[in-house]
Amino acid sequence: EVQLLESGGGLVQPGGSLRLSCAASGFTFSTNAMTWVRQVPGKGLEWVAGIGNSAEAYYAESVKGRFSISKDISKNTLYLQMNSLGAGDAAVYYCAKDLFRWSLDYWGQGTLVTVSS
Amino acid sequence: EIVLTQSPATLSLSPGERATLSCRASQSVSSYLAWYQQKPGQAPRLLIYEASNRATGIPARFSGSGSGTDFTLIISSLEPEDFAVYYCQQCSSWPLTFGGGTKVEIK
Repeated sequence: EVQLLESGGGLVQPGGSLRLSCAASGFTFSTNAMTWVRQVPGKGLEWVAGIGNSAEAYYAESVKGRFSISKDISKNTLYLQMNSLGAGDAAVYYCAKDLFRWSLDYWGQGTLVTVSS
Repeated sequence: EIVLTQSPATLSLSPGERATLSCRASQSVSSYLAWYQQKPGQAPRLLIYEASNRATGIPARFSGSGSGTDFTLIISSLEPEDFAVYYCQQCSSWPLTFGGGTKVEIK
């Protein structure tokens, strides 16, 4: 059974940093592309970042230069390092597994990031 | 960046009725479009990938069609559990993007 479990969310001050983790199981993590998507409660979905089979990384313009996506294959864990956080980054962050060409067939339950002083 | 426009924003229908949801892309995405369903408090669920392929476990009442810039998700006969928000996502070019969503509500 595929499982994705996010952690690392919480309250952070503007300008601060946070690292989200997504523990994966039930599939071949090492060869699967993965994605982070965020959602402000009550609003729509926003694609944030993706990492491909060869660890190539892609980012939304809104986070480029501030966020970094990575995978630790030895730990079956996906990460999202978030720096210079602002109010616009506050959201529930989901990790998701790629099925085919970045369509996302399994999602975690999400972790909430709050940015406030 | 490819912009996806979903219409209508809200669709008010009764159980048993047919739902037709539209997603229009600002430029061609070929057939690289996915549809998701999201219910309150839950993560999105993949319904359709590559424009017309149903994901595992998705009932046959859900169907997707289209290519290029115009796509449609049809729910042939609404079940009570189908009332939710639906999003399209283009998987064609970076950055990937989602549409703003269509809420299917009970009339």
